[in-house]
Amino acid sequence: NAGVTQTPKFQVLKTGQSMTLQCAQDMNHEYMSWYRQDPGMGLRLIHYSVGAGITDQGEVPNGYNVSRSTTEDFPLRLLSAAPSQTSVYFCASSYSGTRGYEQYFGPGTRLTVT
Amino acid sequence: GENVEQHPSTLSVQEGDSAVIKCTYSDSASNYFPWYKQELGKRPQLIIDIRSNVGEKKDQRIAVTLNKTAKHFSLHITETQPEDSAVYFCAASRDGGSQGNLIFGKGTKLSVKP
Repeated sequence: NAGVTQTPKFQVLKTGQSMTLQCAQDMNHEYMSWYRQDPGMGLRLIHYSVGAGITDQGEVPNGYNVSRSTTEDFPLRLLSAAPSQTSVYFCASSYSGTRGYEQYFGPGTRLTVT
Repeated sequence: GENVEQHPSTLSVQEGDSAVIKCTYSDSASNYFPWYKQELGKRPQLIIDIRSNVGEKKDQRIAVTLNKTAKHFSLHITETQPEDSAVYFCAASRDGGSQGNLIFGKGTKLSVKP
């Protein structure tokens, strides 16, 4: 199993550009989520999904959209990038319910917005 | 809103000493408390977790204790080694126990000096 994969690893955007961060998992996990990590701030939840077709907002959803058309994929879209979105983005997945609790993180995407 | 406070933000110990990191949480419905270790430039990885029906859990040199009444939990690392140097994050579940929806503390940078 590849686990959780993310592309790209690095990205530089200009203010106002849009892009999609890709996330995929091959563990058949129902639960997927996106976090951003900023220095001294820990990990903050952007959006999450409890299954295909179901998404919800986390702590810091503004400026980001998500969709979950399949169990495997959970892309994160930045509609109009801003310098405040410069961060490292982690996707994570886990089982829901009592089958397991560990969240598995992807390798991260380092995004810089100029 | 829901919050997880983590202390200290930095911790320096001599090799062989013990290290303790403490977290408090605000959401009474939280029932899952994982700890993650993140090495520089890498993804967070789960090192130990505890559920609210357990007061203590141990795995070799690592232990976690939970006091639900006081809403705090702690990570204990004994016989520290240089490879324990990393940033450690505590987290608590949100929304009545959905383990994939986590609130993270801001992290503790642990340095173990040889």
